[in-house]
Amino acid sequence: AQTVTQSQPEMSVQEAETVTLSCTYDTSESNYYLFWYKQPPSRQMILVIRQEAYKQQNATENRFSVNFQKAAKSFSLKISDSQLGDTAMYFCAFIHAGKSTFGDGTTLTVKP
Amino acid sequence: NAGVTQTPKFQVLKTGQSMTLQCAQDMNHNSMYWYRQDPGMGLRLIYYSASEGTTDKGEVPNGYNVSRLNKREFSLRLESAAPSQTSVYFCASSEARYYGYTFGSGTRLTVV
Repeated sequence: AQTVTQSQPEMSVQEAETVTLSCTYDTSESNYYLFWYKQPPSRQMILVIRQEAYKQQNATENRFSVNFQKAAKSFSLKISDSQLGDTAMYFCAFIHAGKSTFGDGTTLTVKP
Repeated sequence: NAGVTQTPKFQVLKTGQSMTLQCAQDMNHNSMYWYRQDPGMGLRLIYYSASEGTTDKGEVPNGYNVSRLNKREFSLRLESAAPSQTSVYFCASSEARYYGYTFGSGTRLTVV
């Protein structure tokens, strides 16, 4: 079974600064997908970024980028130029063969 | 474009009562999923449907049944609700099992 660990239950960052959220996972599979989801207080789950394990290039979506280290089984999320609207809980997710495993989340607070 | 629609948004049940959570998507996605989210935790997969006519158990299927009524609709039924099923339930869909998921806004269920 796969496991996903987010070791930082809570983090904070000043507006306009950069923050990195960590995620590690454990699997024996070689082909899988990794995701970061954002859950603001509205409770809606929003896809932030997606990484395919067979691609070495790190995914980027505007201010969001990942550092994917397949050998180390690490998948961290970097948020640049943090905005107040980035305040949310962030979940790392691993998906293989139709089944998903989510981490317990990191609550990020962006301070003005 | 509504995306993924879940009903109801809130529900209170008495122990032993039954109910069905409804989910519909209008994006012509093949795969649909039901998750539960307990306080301070990530999402856990209850059941999923890779395509119309198929359903499979996820991580926590006990106490639940599902029906993939057609390509658009995927319902979750609690036959005899228990307090341990108090949670927030999310429905999601994806074009394929490895693509990013689109989530509904969730159903907050309380079993007393």
